[in-house]
Amino acid sequence: QKEVEQDPGPLSVPEGAIVSLNCTYSNSAFQYFMWYRQYSRKGPELLMYTYSSGNKEDGRFTAQVDKSSKYISLFIRDSQPSDSATYLCAMRGRAAGNKLTFGGGTRVLVKP
Amino acid sequence: DTGVSQDPRHKITKRGQNVTFRCDPISEHNRLYWYRQTLGQGPEFLTYFQNEAQLEKSRLLSDRFSAERPKGSFSTLEIQRTEQGDSAMYLCASSLGVTEQETQYFGPGTRLLVL
Repeated sequence: QKEVEQDPGPLSVPEGAIVSLNCTYSNSAFQYFMWYRQYSRKGPELLMYTYSSGNKEDGRFTAQVDKSSKYISLFIRDSQPSDSATYLCAMRGRAAGNKLTFGGGTRVLVKP
Repeated sequence: DTGVSQDPRHKITKRGQNVTFRCDPISEHNRLYWYRQTLGQGPEFLTYFQNEAQLEKSRLLSDRFSAERPKGSFSTLEIQRTEQGDSAMYLCASSLGVTEQETQYFGPGTRLLVL
């Protein structure tokens, strides 16, 4: 079993809908949680970065972390065709220099 | 653009050949990471440098792989005697490791195809 599980999708939604993405993990040492967006054949781009449990909002993006359930989510409001990409969750332990452990990514398609 | 850069962006090679990739981190970032990403999967950690010191290596990094970061600036990743299973995207990331809350920024990757 992988340390971080993520539904591969694809997730297809109409333009303007809310996109809901999530990951589950098994390693309780993970303290920092990130969401990256990756367009086809490009490098991952950091979207959201959170520490421990709670919510964080940035524009149309909201990240939630529930450490008691080992579950993190990303919501994208008012989705646009330009949001079509693969979304990767990533997490790491507390120590500086910790490697990131990624989920497999969820492919999202926003249809105009 | 002052982001992470990688060269080449694409590499096609024949099985058994050696290949070398280069990564230039964001200026003043003291930490540099290499990851490998196969199709449909998330990136997997390979190795990590703090300045010029290689501090951690994944078991994925077989003895055919070697990475260096001379003078703590750019880094190179060499694969010797390439195999078809080495075909993947090789990603480099860098971070400014001043506090615990460091963020890793990724480059565009080098896509390797071994024929």
